[in-house]
Amino acid sequence: TQLLEQSPQFLSIQEGENLTVYCNSSSVFSSLQWYRQEPGEGPVLLVTVVTGGEVKKLKRLTFQFGDARKDSSLHITAAQPGDTGLYLCAGGLGNMLTFGGGTRLMVKP
Amino acid sequence: DAMVIQNPRYQVTQFGKPVTLSCSQTLNHNVMYWYQQKSSQAPKLLFHYYDKDFNNEADTPDNFQSRRPNTSFCFLDIRSPGLGDAAMYLCATSRLAGAYNEQFFGPGTRLTVL
Repeated sequence: TQLLEQSPQFLSIQEGENLTVYCNSSSVFSSLQWYRQEPGEGPVLLVTVVTGGEVKKLKRLTFQFGDARKDSSLHITAAQPGDTGLYLCAGGLGNMLTFGGGTRLMVKP
Repeated sequence: DAMVIQNPRYQVTQFGKPVTLSCSQTLNHNVMYWYQQKSSQAPKLLFHYYDKDFNNEADTPDNFQSRRPNTSFCFLDIRSPGLGDAAMYLCATSRLAGAYNEQFFGPGTRLTVL
């Protein structure tokens, strides 16, 4: 069974702070997706990383895929209240995704 | 805009009364998924269709069934909802491309069981 461990589970920070969310596994994935989900809505795909060591940036968000394609991180610079939500990482293999447990982020103004 | 649509957004049913949730997509993706998500947890895969091929997860209760009459539509039938089936139900689609699988989610249907 493939497992993705996401940490931290909960994070409450002040506007303007930086944060990093981690996603770790003992399994190798062909891709790693990061989603953000707001209450009452479906997850929205933020980014897909597929190459070991790959780094992608989306405005203030930086995503990195580990060299061995077993882990990933999401770094947010100068967090804003609009970043509040549930962040989910998901490892892809074939036509299936394995989800991490999620990180609930709250950014206070 | 190409998208995944779920109807209804909110569904209330009574204990034991069958309910059907629907999903449609304009992305022309060949794979469609149904997930169950309970409060603040990760989505849990119930089953998926790869074209017309149905794939059930081993731990999905028999109470949950699905139909995919064509590429665009997929339905989730809950034959006898119990209180424990109250959850958000998410539909997702993907088009297998090369080595990776990006899934695109609908907005979800929030099911309440009275």
